[in-house]
Amino acid sequence: DTGVSQDPRHKITKRGQNVTFRCDPISEHNRLYWYRQTLGQGPEFLTYFQNEAQLEKSRLLSDRFSAERPKGSFSTLEIQRTEQGDSAMYLCASSLAGGLETQYFGPGTRLLVL
Amino acid sequence: TQLLEQSPQFLSIQEGENLTVYCNSSSVFSSLQWYRQEPGEGPVLLVTVVTGGEVKKLKRLTFQFGDARKDSSLHITAAQPGDTGLYLCAGAESGAGSYQLTFGKGTKLSVIP
Repeated sequence: DTGVSQDPRHKITKRGQNVTFRCDPISEHNRLYWYRQTLGQGPEFLTYFQNEAQLEKSRLLSDRFSAERPKGSFSTLEIQRTEQGDSAMYLCASSLAGGLETQYFGPGTRLLVL
Repeated sequence: TQLLEQSPQFLSIQEGENLTVYCNSSSVFSSLQWYRQEPGEGPVLLVTVVTGGEVKKLKRLTFQFGDARKDSSLHITAAQPGDTGLYLCAGAESGAGSYQLTFGKGTKLSVIP
């Protein structure tokens, strides 16, 4: 049973650099979500896909953030011109449409912007 | 914006004690999920509750969804050091095409041997 995987697990970058994170959902899941979690807070929703369609992106934090899911399988989240305030844990989750819509989370990518 | 408030924020208890943590909102959720999160890891699903008044048990953990589907509680019996972690509740928003989860800030539980 393969769960949600994320790569890399940790990323250290300098302010102003671009970073890209990858998420591989549970194979039969057609919905994929991105969340951000800062210290002492619960995860905060960013965006979600159903298959390859990005159905909600108004919660992306700024136009520096973008996400793709080109073939309806894995997804990438890109942050351009990183800022120190972008330092956080970026979490990916997936679910199967219909039923309980339970979301299963990956281990996250910890980003540190210096 | 729907908000979930969790209480207490921090809880430190001795092994063998019982505890209850709460998750409250003024909004109605179509379902509510409880997760446990270890430092540096993603949240791990414990349970999903859907029906108002529903009670689910997972070994020593008992979850209840309020009758009005606005609140939930998690009760742990005879806590063990392995129960230590951050407990998060998350509500699924109702609405066409909207499946995002709204999370509380969590309850950080420490069980002392």
